[in-house]
Amino acid sequence: DAKTTQPNSMESNEEEPVHLPCNHSTISGTDYIHWYRQLPSQGPEYVIHGLTSNVNNRMASLAIAEDRKSSTLILHRATLRDAAVYYCILAESRAGNMLTFGGGTRLMVKP
Amino acid sequence: SAVISQKPSRDICQRGTSLTIQCQVDSQVTMMFWYRQQPGQSLTLIATANQGSEATYESGFVIDKFPISRPNLTFSTLTVSNMSPEDSSIYLCSVGFWGASYEQYFGPGTRLTVT
Repeated sequence: DAKTTQPNSMESNEEEPVHLPCNHSTISGTDYIHWYRQLPSQGPEYVIHGLTSNVNNRMASLAIAEDRKSSTLILHRATLRDAAVYYCILAESRAGNMLTFGGGTRLMVKP
Repeated sequence: SAVISQKPSRDICQRGTSLTIQCQVDSQVTMMFWYRQQPGQSLTLIATANQGSEATYESGFVIDKFPISRPNLTFSTLTVSNMSPEDSSIYLCSVGFWGASYEQYFGPGTRLTVT
């Protein structure tokens, strides 16, 4: 399984941008990069995904390195509600929708 | 998108007993999965629930311990059999749509405590 490496935790101030890094040096050419987050006492929720190009949606932006060995999830203005564990996941294309969760990054947002 | 409900939301069970967890989706879905999340840990995939056939289990999980049913495209059950305190976890159901962007939708989870 292709693996990802994320910092265990990060802190941010409210209303400031947050950059959550993820290393995935063994990524294969057909692996999609997915980000999910898990708010306290809830199931994970989808945030964003990409293959090669940078992606934007209403929740966040995903910046993917040119060699695809790393990516960064960007929250443009962190709110207290963004405090969660953020998981960077490589979706193995041959495995259908299977997701393999790593340790994730616990984001703490300070008011 | 999909809305997923799980029953029960939580339970406290005695060792040696079994508990069946239900997962109901508000639309027909291609893929259904069961995950376990042990206290303070990340999610671990238990199995893929296949409609009309036996579930596909991940390494370390066996059908005798975690039998799974999926009678149709909107419903699945996971049974935790002959429970021990080590089975105390949150069990989550998730669903996905074949051919889509691998986005999965997760249920709220079932918090199980085994005493």
